Amino acid sequence: GESVGLHLPTLSVQEGDNSIINCAYSNSASDYFIWYKQESGKGPQFIIDIRSNMDKRQGQRVTVLLNKTVKHLSLQIAATQPGDSAVYFCAEGVGNEKLTFGTGTRLTIIP
Amino acid sequence: NAGVMQNPRHLVRRRGQEARLRCSPMKGHSHVYWYRQLPEEGLKFMVYLQKENIIDESGMPKERFSAEFPKEGPSILRIQQVVRGDSAAYFCASSPRVGDTQYFGPGTRLTVL
Repeated sequence: GESVGLHLPTLSVQEGDNSIINCAYSNSASDYFIWYKQESGKGPQFIIDIRSNMDKRQGQRVTVLLNKTVKHLSLQIAATQPGDSAVYFCAEGVGNEKLTFGTGTRLTIIP
Repeated sequence: NAGVMQNPRHLVRRRGQEARLRCSPMKGHSHVYWYRQLPEEGLKFMVYLQKENIIDESGMPKERFSAEFPKEGPSILRIQQVVRGDSAAYFCASSPRVGDTQYFGPGTRLTVL
C-alpha cells in the first residue's frame, strides 16, 4: 500500500549546527506535504508545508525541499536550539483531506 | 484566538465501558479530523467530518467506533465496549476549508485497564 517513511529514526545534532530530516513517500498522487513537530505529551505542531507545484519553501530557520522525481521530502533546521528537540513527522495528502503520517524522527539537540 | 481544544486530556476506562472524546475546533473552522497515535508511531487517520456530515471514515474501525460533529457543540469520538487495544492518544485537528493546514489539539490519552 501507499506509505510515508523516514530514513533515520533518531538524529543528534550539536546546538547551533544545522539539521536535516529526510522523508520518503510513495503515493505519486500526493500533492500536499507537511512537517509537524511533536514534543512529549503534546499534539503535533505545524512547522511548514509545501505543495507539489513547488520544490522549495522557506520559513523562519526552516526550509522544506521536495523532490518529486525521487519522491523525497526533507526538512532543514538552521542554527538548532535546545527547543528544537522533539519528534518530527512528515505527512502527505491529496488535497489535504486526510494526512498519511510517517513514523517520525527523534531529533535531539546536544548542548 | 484559542487553538483546538480536546477534553478530557486523560481518560481511564475499564474493558467494556464507553469512552467519549470531545474536540472543539478553532474558531471559524468547520472541518474536523480525528487521528490515533500509538506509542512511538505516527498518527493514523480515522475520520474526517464537516458540520453534521461524515466525509471520510475510511480509517475508522467498522465496529464500536463512531464520530459526529453536530451543528452546535464539539465533535465527539465515541468508542463503545473499549478493549485494551484501544489504548492510545487520540488527536483532533481542524481546518477552515478543505485543503487548508490542519491544526492539532493536545490530544486525549485513553488508557483501558
